[in-house]
Amino acid sequence: DQQVKQNSPSLSVQEGRISILNCDYTNSMFDYFLWYKKYPAEGPTFLISISSIKDKNEDGRFTVFLNKSAKHLSLHIVPSQPGDSAVYFCAARGRGSRLTFGEGTQLTVNP
Amino acid sequence: GAVVSQHPSWVICKSGTSVKIECRSLDFQATTMFWYRQFPKQSLMLMATSNEGSKATYEQGVEKDKFLINHASLTLSTLTVTSAHPEDSSFYICSAPDPGQGYYGYTFGSGTRLTVV
Repeated sequence: DQQVKQNSPSLSVQEGRISILNCDYTNSMFDYFLWYKKYPAEGPTFLISISSIKDKNEDGRFTVFLNKSAKHLSLHIVPSQPGDSAVYFCAARGRGSRLTFGEGTQLTVNP
Repeated sequence: GAVVSQHPSWVICKSGTSVKIECRSLDFQATTMFWYRQFPKQSLMLMATSNEGSKATYEQGVEKDKFLINHASLTLSTLTVTSAHPEDSSFYICSAPDPGQGYYGYTFGSGTRLTVV
């Protein structure tokens, strides 16, 4: 039972344009959502998060939107830069502070 | 920010041997450590949660006798893969709640690539 899903395994965008990464979840008990960036053979690096009581959080080029009724969140990166190329994981916090991760989306930003 | 140091970063071992992976919190006390496993092109799957001074909690389907977790101090948690087999080859990552990221933040180790031959 995959409670957090990232349906797009990959996304390719041009430098300077917007990158939109999507994530869906099924468990309404999740109270906090996080986005991580990961390079191969490294641990995830925290990017941005959002509480379930909010619908938007912005930090520089990164904005996360939460649509609780649709159980959907998205990460917007604008403008996208080649250095943003990595795998992005959506994670949801549930019981016992456990994080449940999505499958990840490989973002490629082309110069 | 807080740092979790994970060692080794990679290890190759023979089938049937045991491998120990260490995660140390360098500048904060980690009363809880989460251990994940990631297979290629897949999600990070939580294996177990270790708590300092008490028994680890394992997720469904994870063999506790095979994946021994010890959290003997507030700065050190270890995962030992016992009698390793090729199917245990994976990327193992630890994570601890990060006080610097606010109540809901976590910091991750750099991961250990285990290859069992």
